[in-house]
Amino acid sequence: ETGVTQTPRHLVMGMTNKKSLKCEQHLGHNAMYWYKQSAKKPLELMFVYSLEERVENNSVPSRFSPECPNSSHLFLHLHTLQPEDSALYLCASSQDAPAPGLAGWTYEQYFGPGTRLTVT
Amino acid sequence: AQKITQTQPGMFVQEKEAVTLDCTYDTSDQSYGLFWYKQPSSGEMIFLIYQGSYDEQNATEGRYSLNFQKARKSANLVISASQLGDSAMYFCATNTGNQFYFGTGTSLTVIP
Repeated sequence: ETGVTQTPRHLVMGMTNKKSLKCEQHLGHNAMYWYKQSAKKPLELMFVYSLEERVENNSVPSRFSPECPNSSHLFLHLHTLQPEDSALYLCASSQDAPAPGLAGWTYEQYFGPGTRLTVT
Repeated sequence: AQKITQTQPGMFVQEKEAVTLDCTYDTSDQSYGLFWYKQPSSGEMIFLIYQGSYDEQNATEGRYSLNFQKARKSANLVISASQLGDSAMYFCATNTGNQFYFGTGTSLTVIP
Protein backbone atom coordinates (compact mmCIF):
# COMPACT_ATOMS: atom_id res chain seq x y z
CA GLU A 1 0.00 0.00 0.00
CA THR A 2 1.19 3.49 -0.77
CA GLY A 3 0.00 6.99 0.11
CA VAL A 4 -3.10 7.41 2.23
CA THR A 5 -5.79 4.76 2.39
CA GLN A 6 -9.28 4.97 3.83
CA THR A 7 -11.84 2.33 4.67
CA PRO A 8 -14.64 1.87 4.04
CA ARG A 9 -15.09 3.76 0.79
CA HIS A 10 -18.85 3.89 1.22
CA LEU A 11 -20.93 3.69 4.40
CA VAL A 12 -24.65 3.86 4.98
CA MET A 13 -25.74 4.05 8.60
CA GLY A 14 -28.85 4.79 10.60
CA MET A 15 -28.98 7.57 13.14
CA THR A 16 -28.70 5.14 16.05
CA ASN A 17 -25.74 3.18 14.70
CA LYS A 18 -22.11 3.33 15.77
CA LYS A 19 -19.44 3.01 13.12
CA SER A 20 -15.81 3.96 12.60
CA LEU A 21 -13.85 5.33 9.67
CA LYS A 22 -10.25 4.27 9.32
CA CYS A 23 -7.33 6.08 7.75
CA GLU A 24 -3.78 4.85 7.30
CA GLN A 25 -0.82 6.71 5.86
CA HIS A 26 2.30 5.00 4.53
CA LEU A 27 4.33 8.18 4.01
CA GLY A 28 6.09 8.51 7.35
CA HIS A 29 4.29 11.78 8.06
CA ASN A 30 3.85 13.30 11.49
CA ALA A 31 0.49 15.01 11.04
CA MET A 32 -2.93 13.66 10.14
CA TYR A 33 -6.26 15.38 9.49
CA TRP A 34 -9.97 14.73 9.13
CA TYR A 35 -12.00 16.87 6.72
CA LYS A 36 -15.68 16.98 5.84
CA GLN A 37 -16.65 17.77 2.26
CA SER A 38 -20.28 18.67 1.64
CA ALA A 39 -21.77 19.70 -1.67
CA LYS A 40 -21.38 23.39 -2.53
CA LYS A 41 -19.38 24.11 0.63
CA PRO A 42 -15.68 24.56 1.23
CA LEU A 43 -13.76 21.68 2.66
CA GLU A 44 -14.10 21.84 6.46
CA LEU A 45 -11.18 20.93 8.67
CA MET A 46 -12.45 18.86 11.60
CA PHE A 47 -9.40 17.60 13.50
CA VAL A 48 -5.63 17.90 13.36
CA TYR A 49 -3.23 15.46 14.96
CA SER A 50 0.49 15.99 15.31
CA LEU A 51 2.57 13.06 16.57
CA GLU A 52 -0.58 11.40 17.87
CA GLU A 53 -1.68 14.44 19.85
CA ARG A 54 -4.73 16.43 18.89
CA VAL A 55 -3.72 20.00 18.14
CA GLU A 56 -6.94 21.32 16.67
CA ASN A 57 -10.61 20.58 17.15
CA ASN A 58 -12.79 22.90 15.13
CA SER A 59 -15.99 22.93 17.17
CA VAL A 60 -17.00 19.57 15.85
CA PRO A 61 -20.06 17.96 17.50
CA SER A 62 -19.24 15.28 20.05
CA ARG A 63 -20.97 12.65 17.94
CA PHE A 64 -17.69 12.65 15.99
CA SER A 65 -14.84 11.24 18.07
CA PRO A 66 -11.32 10.99 16.62
CA GLU A 67 -8.62 8.60 17.72
CA CYS A 68 -4.97 8.52 16.71
CA PRO A 69 -3.26 5.46 18.24
CA ASN A 70 -0.01 6.09 16.35
CA SER A 71 1.31 8.42 13.69
CA SER A 72 0.22 6.12 10.86
CA HIS A 73 -3.38 5.50 11.86
CA LEU A 74 -6.36 7.76 12.39
CA PHE A 75 -9.92 6.82 13.21
CA LEU A 76 -13.16 8.73 13.26
CA HIS A 77 -15.76 7.13 15.51
CA LEU A 78 -19.34 7.99 14.65
CA HIS A 79 -22.45 7.66 16.82
CA THR A 80 -25.98 9.03 16.76
CA LEU A 81 -25.34 10.97 13.56
CA GLN A 82 -27.82 13.25 11.84
CA PRO A 83 -28.83 13.23 8.15
CA GLU A 84 -26.93 16.52 7.66
CA ASP A 85 -23.74 14.65 8.54
CA SER A 86 -23.96 12.87 5.20
CA ALA A 87 -20.86 13.92 3.26
CA LEU A 88 -17.51 12.80 1.93
CA TYR A 89 -15.02 12.42 4.78
CA LEU A 90 -11.43 12.88 3.74
CA CYS A 91 -8.34 11.95 5.66
CA ALA A 92 -5.03 13.66 4.92
CA SER A 93 -1.46 13.63 6.16
CA SER A 94 1.47 16.00 5.95
CA GLN A 95 5.11 15.90 6.95
CA ASP A 96 4.49 18.34 9.78
CA ALA A 97 1.49 20.00 11.34
CA PRO A 98 1.20 23.73 10.73
CA ALA A 99 2.29 26.01 13.53
CA PRO A 100 1.19 29.59 14.16
CA GLY A 101 3.45 32.09 12.48
CA LEU A 102 5.17 29.54 10.30
CA ALA A 103 4.58 28.53 6.71
CA GLY A 104 6.26 25.74 4.86
CA TRP A 105 6.06 23.28 2.07
CA THR A 106 6.02 20.46 4.60
CA TYR A 107 2.39 21.30 5.25
CA GLU A 108 1.32 20.11 1.82
CA GLN A 109 -1.28 17.48 2.44
CA TYR A 110 -1.75 14.09 0.87
CA PHE A 111 -5.34 12.94 0.83
CA GLY A 112 -6.99 9.58 0.89
CA PRO A 113 -9.84 8.68 -1.47
CA GLY A 114 -12.46 9.48 1.17
CA THR A 115 -15.42 7.70 2.70
CA ARG A 116 -18.81 8.58 1.26
CA LEU A 117 -21.10 8.57 4.30
CA THR A 118 -24.88 8.50 4.07
CA VAL A 119 -26.93 8.82 7.24
CA THR A 120 -30.49 7.60 6.92
CA ALA B 1 -14.88 35.44 7.54
CA GLN B 2 -14.12 33.45 4.44
CA LYS B 3 -10.41 33.01 4.02
CA ILE B 4 -10.32 31.79 0.42
CA THR B 5 -12.46 33.05 -2.45
CA GLN B 6 -12.74 31.33 -5.79
CA THR B 7 -15.12 33.33 -7.96
CA GLN B 8 -15.27 30.97 -10.96
CA PRO B 9 -17.60 28.06 -10.25
CA GLY B 10 -17.01 26.64 -13.74
CA MET B 11 -14.45 27.14 -16.50
CA PHE B 12 -13.98 25.73 -19.98
CA VAL B 13 -10.75 25.59 -21.93
CA GLN B 14 -9.77 24.20 -25.29
CA GLU B 15 -7.28 21.36 -25.25
CA LYS B 16 -3.67 22.59 -25.53
CA GLU B 17 -4.63 26.11 -24.46
CA ALA B 18 -3.65 27.76 -21.18
CA VAL B 19 -6.17 28.58 -18.45
CA THR B 20 -6.04 30.69 -15.30
CA LEU B 21 -8.04 29.80 -12.21
CA ASP B 22 -8.56 32.67 -9.80
CA CYS B 23 -8.00 32.65 -6.05
CA THR B 24 -7.95 35.46 -3.52
CA TYR B 25 -7.26 35.04 0.15
CA ASP B 26 -7.73 36.93 3.35
CA THR B 27 -5.22 36.76 6.16
CA SER B 28 -3.52 39.09 8.60
CA ASP B 29 -0.63 36.68 9.17
CA GLN B 30 2.78 37.59 7.82
CA SER B 31 3.73 33.97 7.25
CA TYR B 32 1.36 31.68 5.43
CA GLY B 33 1.26 29.10 2.70
CA LEU B 34 -0.88 28.85 -0.39
CA PHE B 35 -1.78 25.54 -2.01
CA TRP B 36 -3.67 24.28 -5.01
CA TYR B 37 -5.30 20.88 -5.15
CA LYS B 38 -7.04 18.96 -7.92
CA GLN B 39 -9.99 16.70 -7.27
CA PRO B 40 -11.00 14.43 -10.17
CA SER B 41 -14.39 12.77 -10.22
CA SER B 42 -12.86 9.83 -8.35
CA GLY B 43 -12.82 12.06 -5.26
CA GLU B 44 -9.17 12.00 -4.22
CA MET B 45 -7.57 15.40 -3.61
CA ILE B 46 -4.22 15.72 -5.33
CA PHE B 47 -1.63 18.30 -4.29
CA LEU B 48 -0.44 20.41 -7.23
CA ILE B 49 1.66 23.35 -6.10
CA TYR B 50 2.75 25.36 -3.06
CA GLN B 51 3.72 29.01 -2.59
CA GLY B 52 5.13 30.43 0.63
CA SER B 53 4.30 33.99 1.56
CA TYR B 54 7.97 34.91 1.68
CA ASP B 55 8.84 33.30 -1.64
CA GLU B 56 9.78 36.03 -4.07
CA GLN B 57 9.49 33.89 -7.16
CA ASN B 58 6.28 32.35 -8.43
CA ALA B 59 6.13 28.62 -7.86
CA THR B 60 6.15 26.30 -10.84
CA GLU B 61 5.57 22.55 -11.11
CA GLY B 62 5.60 21.22 -14.63
CA ARG B 63 2.59 22.64 -16.45
CA TYR B 64 1.34 24.35 -13.28
CA SER B 65 2.44 27.78 -12.15
CA LEU B 66 1.15 29.98 -9.38
CA ASN B 67 0.77 33.68 -10.14
CA PHE B 68 1.37 35.13 -6.67
CA GLN B 69 0.50 38.78 -6.16
CA LYS B 70 0.98 39.42 -2.48
CA ALA B 71 -0.26 43.01 -2.40
CA ARG B 72 -3.50 41.95 -4.08
CA LYS B 73 -3.71 38.81 -1.97
CA SER B 74 -4.20 36.67 -5.02
CA ALA B 75 -2.74 33.29 -5.89
CA ASN B 76 -4.02 32.30 -9.31
CA LEU B 77 -3.21 28.91 -10.81
CA VAL B 78 -2.11 28.82 -14.42
CA ILE B 79 -2.30 25.53 -16.29
CA SER B 80 -0.44 25.56 -19.58
CA ALA B 81 -1.12 23.24 -22.52
CA SER B 82 -4.35 21.85 -21.07
CA GLN B 83 -5.00 18.15 -21.40
CA LEU B 84 -8.25 16.20 -21.25
CA GLY B 85 -7.10 14.70 -17.96
CA ASP B 86 -7.03 18.16 -16.41
CA SER B 87 -10.83 18.16 -16.24
CA ALA B 88 -11.56 18.21 -12.50
CA MET B 89 -12.40 20.44 -9.54
CA TYR B 90 -9.58 22.71 -8.44
CA PHE B 91 -9.30 24.02 -4.90
CA CYS B 92 -7.19 26.85 -3.56
CA ALA B 93 -6.20 26.65 0.10
CA THR B 94 -4.18 28.49 2.69
CA ASN B 95 -2.81 27.61 6.08
CA THR B 96 -2.67 30.15 8.86
CA GLY B 97 -1.93 29.12 12.40
CA ASN B 98 -3.08 25.57 12.94
CA GLN B 99 -5.77 25.91 10.33
CA PHE B 100 -6.27 25.11 6.71
CA TYR B 101 -8.90 26.98 4.71
CA PHE B 102 -10.19 25.84 1.36
CA GLY B 103 -12.21 27.65 -1.28
CA THR B 104 -15.41 26.34 -2.83
CA GLY B 105 -13.53 25.22 -5.90
CA THR B 106 -13.60 25.77 -9.67
CA SER B 107 -14.81 23.08 -12.02
CA LEU B 108 -12.56 22.94 -15.08
CA THR B 109 -13.65 21.21 -18.26
CA VAL B 110 -11.15 20.70 -21.05
CA ILE B 111 -12.79 20.54 -24.48
CA PRO B 112 -11.21 18.37 -27.20
